[in-house]
Amino acid sequence: GQSLEQPSEVTAVEGAIVQINCTYQTSGFYGLSWYQQHDGGAPTFLSYNALDGLEETGRFSSFLSRSDSYGYLLLQELQMKDSASYFCAVRDIGNYQLIWGAGTKLIIKP
Amino acid sequence: NAGVTQTPKFQVLKTGQSMTLQCAQDMNHNSMYWYRQDPGMGLRLIYYSASEGTTDKGEVPNGYNVSRLNKREFSLRLESAAPSQTSVYFCASIEGQQETQYFGPGTRLLVL
Repeated sequence: GQSLEQPSEVTAVEGAIVQINCTYQTSGFYGLSWYQQHDGGAPTFLSYNALDGLEETGRFSSFLSRSDSYGYLLLQELQMKDSASYFCAVRDIGNYQLIWGAGTKLIIKP
Repeated sequence: NAGVTQTPKFQVLKTGQSMTLQCAQDMNHNSMYWYRQDPGMGLRLIYYSASEGTTDKGEVPNGYNVSRLNKREFSLRLESAAPSQTSVYFCASIEGQQETQYFGPGTRLLVL
């Protein structure tokens, strides 16, 4: 089957850097996406890696290594507003389904 | 440009009642999705529609039906609600090869 594994919770300090990992088992996918969800809100798109390597968008970066079945989201200069849940997702090559990880709750301490 | 809209925002049902959750998008996207999210959990796909006129089952389709009314609208129906269907329901759309899913604000459903 296809699955994505993420840590359930990560804690970091305001102003620091944090990395959220995503390992996957899937037969084929187009790319790795990351979404942010604040409590009570809807998921919002953060980043997408179609190819191996690093993609940078402001304070957020995302990385993909297909050979290692691994990706991560890197958040720099953490702010209290970054406290949220972060989900990785892949789109199956055979259809239009998105397969989601269970999410990582990021707790930021002052 | 409202993006993805969902109605209602909140709903309380009694076991056995039926209801339809409405979703519409104004971005001319081909593909639309229905997810449910239980407290502290990730998103689980209920049904999706790759294009107008087609629908397919996702991970958890039992107890639900869907209709892709036209390119804009994708509705989710609970024929006989059960307490296990208490959840937050999100509708989303995506355009072709783009990987960005746009989500509606969600419908919070409580089944007593």
